[in-house]
Amino acid sequence: QSVLTQPPSVSAAPGQKVTISCSGSSSNIGNNHVSWYQHLPGTAPKLLIYDNNKRPSGIPDRFSGSKSGTSATLGITGLQTGDEADYYCGTWDTSLSIYVFGTGTKVTVL
Amino acid sequence: QLQLRESGPGLVKPSETLSLTCTVSGGSISSDSYYWGWIRQPPGKGLEWIGSISHSENIYYNPTLRSRVTLSVDTSKNQFSLRVTSVTAADTAMYYCARVTPYSSTWPPPDKIDFWGRGTLVTVSS
Repeated sequence: QSVLTQPPSVSAAPGQKVTISCSGSSSNIGNNHVSWYQHLPGTAPKLLIYDNNKRPSGIPDRFSGSKSGTSATLGITGLQTGDEADYYCGTWDTSLSIYVFGTGTKVTVL
Repeated sequence: QLQLRESGPGLVKPSETLSLTCTVSGGSISSDSYYWGWIRQPPGKGLEWIGSISHSENIYYNPTLRSRVTLSVDTSKNQFSLRVTSVTAADTAMYYCARVTPYSSTWPPPDKIDFWGRGTLVTVSS
C-alpha cells in the first residue's frame, strides 16, 4: 500500500552526500508532516526527521529533511559506514485515513 | 529510556488468530500525549501501518485490515496488544510495536512514530 515513492537505492563514498526523495500527493505529503526513519536490519527502526525538517534529540545534524509541495527529501552528509541502512519516509494520508510509508531506499556506502 | 518489546508466538496456522503483546518500559502507556501502534513488514516488502490506540481506547485502524484486526490496551500491565483473525500466508511479517505521537489532542491522527520495538517475526504456515 505504498503511495509514497522512493528510489530503491542510492550510494556514495564515505564522506560524501546522498539525497533520498519521497514523492506523494496532496492527500499525504502535500498537507501533512513528513517523517523519515532509519532501519538497520535486526534493529528497531529509528526516527531521524519529523515535522518535515526537525531532528529528535541525539540525531546528528548530518541528517536533514525538507519538503516542497508533494515531495520531501532526506539528506545525509559526511556519509559513514554506519549509515548503511534502509530509509523510509512516512506521513498521514488524509484520503486513505492511514499512516503511509514510502517504498524504502537502501543506502550503500561504497 | 523508553523501551518496547514485542512478544507472542512465532508460528501461526492458517485460518487461526495471531496475537501479539507489546510491553512498555521506561514510560507510562497511560500518557495523554501518545498513542501506541503496530506496524508490519512482510519479507522483502515495505512497511505497512496496522493501527494505533490510546490509553482511553481511541483507535485508528488501517481500513484494509479493519475487519480482521483488534487493538487493545492493559494499563495495569503497561501493555498493548494486537489480534489478527483468519490469518493467511500474506500475514507473514515482522511485526513492530511503537509509540505514536498524534498531531494534537484535537486532531489525533499519527504525526510521527518516535519509538519502535525491535520486532518479532510471525510466520503463518501449517
